Amino acid sequence: NAGVTQTPKFQVLKTGQSMTLQCAQDMNHNSMYWYRQDPGMGLRLIYYSASEGTTDKGEVPNGYNVSRLNKREFSLRLESAAPSQTSVYFCASSGTGGRRTDTQYFGPGTRLTVL
Amino acid sequence: QQQVKQSPQSLIVQKGGISIINCAYENTAFDYFPWYQQFPGKGPALLIAIRPDVSEKKEGRFTISFNKSAKQFSLHIMDSQPGDSATYFCAARVGDSWGKLQFGAGTQVVVTP
Repeated sequence: NAGVTQTPKFQVLKTGQSMTLQCAQDMNHNSMYWYRQDPGMGLRLIYYSASEGTTDKGEVPNGYNVSRLNKREFSLRLESAAPSQTSVYFCASSGTGGRRTDTQYFGPGTRLTVL
Repeated sequence: QQQVKQSPQSLIVQKGGISIINCAYENTAFDYFPWYQQFPGKGPALLIAIRPDVSEKKEGRFTISFNKSAKQFSLHIMDSQPGDSATYFCAARVGDSWGKLQFGAGTQVVVTP
């Protein structure tokens, strides 16, 4: 039972390049999230998916797109990377319905640098 | 702007001492207040959480105190241990916002031997 897994762990991009961050969970959770973590800013929600087939914007969605591929997988795409997107990206998942959404389980993160 | 304001940014405490981290919020629709603990190179993990119908919740050495009228809540780490050295985030969620958490900026706690 791996929980939430993310790939890659590290990535360096040049400005303008694109890439997709992958996330998968094996806890049969309906809800999944993408956050970015920057020093002094805490974690900020980029996009979330309440259930398979639905996605919605969070606090900082500009420059990103997401795909909820199936119940297990939720990917984050940077179409044209910018230095401002240098950050650590975390995927999380939680159950759905009442208090089952309470606990979010986080992956180990992807450290992205955009030059 | 952050909806949950957390202080201090960093904290150094001696082994056996008490660590106190404070958070304040404005949105009275928040109905769930978790604290997450993050070790270097790892993702955050839920440590303890409280709902506004109680004023205090204790789990082992960790206690949340909640003051609804002041719109503040705090984490107390009693008998702090070097293994508690981590970054702590408070968070809050609006009841009908389904799952979205608003996080504080984080507090780096260092417990010296």
